Amino acid sequence: DIQLTQSPSSLSASVGDRVTISCRASQHINNFLNWFQQKPGKAPKLLIYAASNLQSGVPSRFSGSGSVTDFTLTITSLQPEDFATYYCQQSYNTPRTFGQGTKLEIK
Amino acid sequence: QMQLLQSGAVLKRPGASVRVSCEASGYSFSSYDMNWVRQATGQGLEWMGWMNVVSGDAGYAQRFQGRLIMTGNSSISTAYMELSSLTSEDTAIYYCARGRGGAFVDFFGMDVWGQGTTVTVSS
Repeated sequence: DIQLTQSPSSLSASVGDRVTISCRASQHINNFLNWFQQKPGKAPKLLIYAASNLQSGVPSRFSGSGSVTDFTLTITSLQPEDFATYYCQQSYNTPRTFGQGTKLEIK
Repeated sequence: QMQLLQSGAVLKRPGASVRVSCEASGYSFSSYDMNWVRQATGQGLEWMGWMNVVSGDAGYAQRFQGRLIMTGNSSISTAYMELSSLTSEDTAIYYCARGRGGAFVDFFGMDVWGQGTTVTVSS
């Protein structure tokens, strides 16, 4: 199974900050890496698919980059509604593993 | 509006089975796979498996082999997940999520999710 390791596990930031979250795969997954946002009591929401493609309706302050094994989610100019937990997930093969999550908290 | 509507919360005894339904609307049910993902309280997301709602082909994560069955009924655009031999460790929120690619590459990711079904296993 492909293991995904996210860093950091938690992050404190302020409104208006720029933050980056990393995700490393245990083997190559080309660019088949997705990013999800989850708020308490809600289902996950797809933000980025195939490493760098912005899902329809997602604000442009979210962006993704990377390929092969190393990937990054960047949020520019944090908004209050962005404080949530973020997960990466690979869709290169099955089982479609998730990273352990990164909790983004207000400083 | 594309939507997945799941059945309501359930309480089960250890050793019992649970079946969760997931009704699709707003898109062609037969054109996509269905994935199931679960999340224990305070924990991360765990992918359980996928199924092709037309052919019935399915693939399950190793840890669920032998006690997980996914099925579908295209005539009512509904997918089902049945988990047997429940223990307290199966207490979680279960989500269905639309996907593609079967056991292979899914370029577009899981883009539509159900609202989640809470399954509690307790004596």
